[in-house]
Amino acid sequence: AQSVTQPDIHITVSEGASLELRCNYSYGATPYLFWYVQSPGQGLQLLLKYFSGDTLVQGIKGFEAEFKRSQSSFNLRKPSVHWSDAAEYFCAVVRSGGYNKLIFGAGTRLAVHP
Amino acid sequence: DGGITQSPKYLFRKEGQNVTLSCEQNLNHDAMYWYRQDPGQGLRLIYYSQIVNDFQKGDIAEGYSVSREKKESFPLTVTSAQKNPTAFYLCASSLLTKETQYFGPGTRLLVL
Repeated sequence: AQSVTQPDIHITVSEGASLELRCNYSYGATPYLFWYVQSPGQGLQLLLKYFSGDTLVQGIKGFEAEFKRSQSSFNLRKPSVHWSDAAEYFCAVVRSGGYNKLIFGAGTRLAVHP
Repeated sequence: DGGITQSPKYLFRKEGQNVTLSCEQNLNHDAMYWYRQDPGQGLRLIYYSQIVNDFQKGDIAEGYSVSREKKESFPLTVTSAQKNPTAFYLCASSLLTKETQYFGPGTRLLVL
């Protein structure tokens, strides 16, 4: 069965430091991959997505992610974190089948120290 | 402004009571979805609908019901059969079933 693993439950970084959030998926074919961000008590906002083509994708708020098929990974990166980036981040993959079922990872909660 | 609205923001349920969560979208999307979010578990799919008057069960449909009488609306009813309803409920929509899903702001359901 398809699954998404986000190995880090909590991450704390200092403002201005670089960030990498890990995401690994289990999927038999080329997946559609997504990163969403959620502020406390809010809905999910799409940061970026990968469907095909260039494996390095740019998103909103200065985020980027790289699809590595050989490692079954889709890690999210940002070169310099801002205090406003503190939130929970979810990686998701579209499951094969007749409809667009998103499989979510459990999320990584990011804290930013001033 | 185009988007997805959910109401109410907070909802309280008494024992044995059915409650209905509203989800409306003006994005002209065909597909709509309901997810449940519990701490540390990510999001789990309750129901989805690809077109009007049609909907399918997701992974955790027991204790929930939905309807899709209009393209814009996809209300979720949490029935008394759902024994652990306390959670954050998120509605989403997409243009087609293979397209990106966009999420509403959520409804937090609490049991009195």
